[in-house]
Amino acid sequence: EAQVTQNPRYLITVTGKKLTVTCSQNMNHEYMSWYRQDPGLGLRQIYYSMNVEVTDKGDVPEGYKVSRKEKRNFPLILESPSPNQTSLYFCASSLLTSTYEQYFGPGTRLTVT
Amino acid sequence: GQQLNQSPQSMFIQEGEDVSMNCTSSSIFNTWLWYKQDPGEGPVLLIALYKAGELTSNGRLTAQFGITRKDSFLNISASIPSDVGIYFCAGTNSGYALNFGKGTSLLVTP
Repeated sequence: EAQVTQNPRYLITVTGKKLTVTCSQNMNHEYMSWYRQDPGLGLRQIYYSMNVEVTDKGDVPEGYKVSRKEKRNFPLILESPSPNQTSLYFCASSLLTSTYEQYFGPGTRLTVT
Repeated sequence: GQQLNQSPQSMFIQEGEDVSMNCTSSSIFNTWLWYKQDPGEGPVLLIALYKAGELTSNGRLTAQFGITRKDSFLNISASIPSDVGIYFCAGTNSGYALNFGKGTSLLVTP
């Protein structure tokens, strides 16, 4: 089944403790992206990647890192999480030729205390 | 990136009613998109619009790309309970960076 998977789905952590949220897709998509969703703010793009070793900042990249060492994986790294990074995170992927039709993962709900 | 103005923020309607929502921007976009997010899921693309003035349908959904290229509209006809969810508009010029609206939450009562 074609899908985007994220792990973990739920995470509660403390301020300053490094964490990684994994994202993997099995559709051989070149393009991958991370979003955060906050009440009343909709979806905001954090980082995106157009291919292996190619990443670029979105609207809200501060406090986040990404890497794209393999085509199928695009992990989101929070080196020192803070409470304002409490949010619902979505990973998405698409073909580079049709980035409008992004397939979204199920989401990761992160709480930083 | 720019966040788009989407309205209404929420709608509470009865099954069978028609629904209209819109999205505006102070900047021009060359592509407008409409997504739906079911409760507990990620967004799913409903309709993509590529040309100013374009009117596109997908079943009971119809969306229009405003002629000024600064707005877009989504209509849902004869709503049913499974239309419940959050509807997001998004505009883009590059295709790589999407600017999303804040969403319209739709509730449909039987």
